[in-house]
Amino acid sequence: DTGVSQDPRHKITKRGQNVTFRCDPISEHNRLYWYRQTLGQGPEFLTYFQNEAQLEKSRLLSDRFSAERPKGSFSTLEIQRTEQGDSAMYLCASSLAARTDTQYFGPGTRLTVL
Amino acid sequence: QQPVQSPQAVILREGEDAVINCSSSKALYSVHWYRQKHGEAPVFLMILLKGGEQKGHDKISASFNEKKQQSSLYLTASQLSYSGTYFCGTEAGNTPLVFGKGTRLSVIA
Repeated sequence: DTGVSQDPRHKITKRGQNVTFRCDPISEHNRLYWYRQTLGQGPEFLTYFQNEAQLEKSRLLSDRFSAERPKGSFSTLEIQRTEQGDSAMYLCASSLAARTDTQYFGPGTRLTVL
Repeated sequence: QQPVQSPQAVILREGEDAVINCSSSKALYSVHWYRQKHGEAPVFLMILLKGGEQKGHDKISASFNEKKQQSSLYLTASQLSYSGTYFCGTEAGNTPLVFGKGTRLSVIA
């Protein structure tokens, strides 16, 4: 049973560049979540999908951030015009359909903006 | 609103017990516990639903006091492998999980 995978694992970019991350959830999971985690903090919710529908977005998700899950399978998170404050670990998690179902996290993508 | 975890950090010797608390000012529907080791993804431990149930597996258990909106994670006879940062994630109504800042646990020989 393969778990949640994320690509790339590390990304270094210059301020102002665009970056895109990919998440592949566990195959039978309908829900997919994106979180951001900075040093010394717990994961902070960014957005989540139920199948292909994006159901909720955090106010943390500025208009420079966009997420898609086009066919209800993998998802992408794009950050445009990156800023140094965007440096963080971006975690993806997936779960079955219910809100109390366990969320399984991927290994994360560590973004460093220079 | 972010739940408050206590203590922020604890150091144990192998075999000792620890309790980690997670409190919220909101009425909670569920509490989710995770452990994260440095540089790795959070790993699920258990979910507790409102109703005051207690869960556990092996030497790690947890309780949920609905009246106090507080959950406690109990680690007994700690092992070196228990080291890591423990996060609680709370859910109040139809809202996404909100995670606490974590409790860093270090188990030494």
